[in-house]
Amino acid sequence: DTGVSQDPRHKITKRGQNVTFRCDPISEHNRLYWYRQTLGQGPEFLTYFQNEAQLEKSRLLSDRFSAERPKGSFSTLEIQRTEQGDSAMYLCASSETGYETQYFGPGTRLLVL
Amino acid sequence: SQQGEEDPQALSIQEGENATMNCSYKTSINNLQWYRQNSGRGLVHLILIRSNEREKHSGRLRVTLDTSKKSSSLLITASRAADTASYFCARTDNFNKFYFGSGTKLNVKP
Repeated sequence: DTGVSQDPRHKITKRGQNVTFRCDPISEHNRLYWYRQTLGQGPEFLTYFQNEAQLEKSRLLSDRFSAERPKGSFSTLEIQRTEQGDSAMYLCASSETGYETQYFGPGTRLLVL
Repeated sequence: SQQGEEDPQALSIQEGENATMNCSYKTSINNLQWYRQNSGRGLVHLILIRSNEREKHSGRLRVTLDTSKKSSSLLITASRAADTASYFCARTDNFNKFYFGSGTKLNVKP
């Protein structure tokens, strides 16, 4: 069990650029979640996949955000036309259906200049 | 917006002392979980307590749940400097997505 991994760990970009983050869940986990965490706050839910199906999206996920999980394994989160307000830690978590515990990756810290 | 709140927001104690942090929530739960986050890192699962349980232990951790008051507490006994971290409670809804509070920042001084 190698745990949840995320890449990159840090990303600095200029306002208006597009960025893409990758999450590799624990191999047997069919549920995958994305959260966003700003400084001093707890994580906020963004979206959730059951296998390759995106089952729920938060209102926080504007149309500049898109997430995919094409083969039900790894997932990508893309932010288009980044804004300074997108600066945050983006966390990925995975779990098995029927088990409530989510296992989190180390996160990708995004800074938009 | 956050669905629960931890209290206190910050706690500073000496090594060896006990640390107690509380979590309140607003709606019904299936279960409540506590996580720890070291600065700039991901979250580590500590303990899960179900809505029909009142108390649970894991090593130096003790969690209580009072569904009538919609609150939970996490007690860390005999704290260590390595316990310095932020602690979050997470409420789970039917889809298992989490609602986190804003956390308690614990500082254990050696």
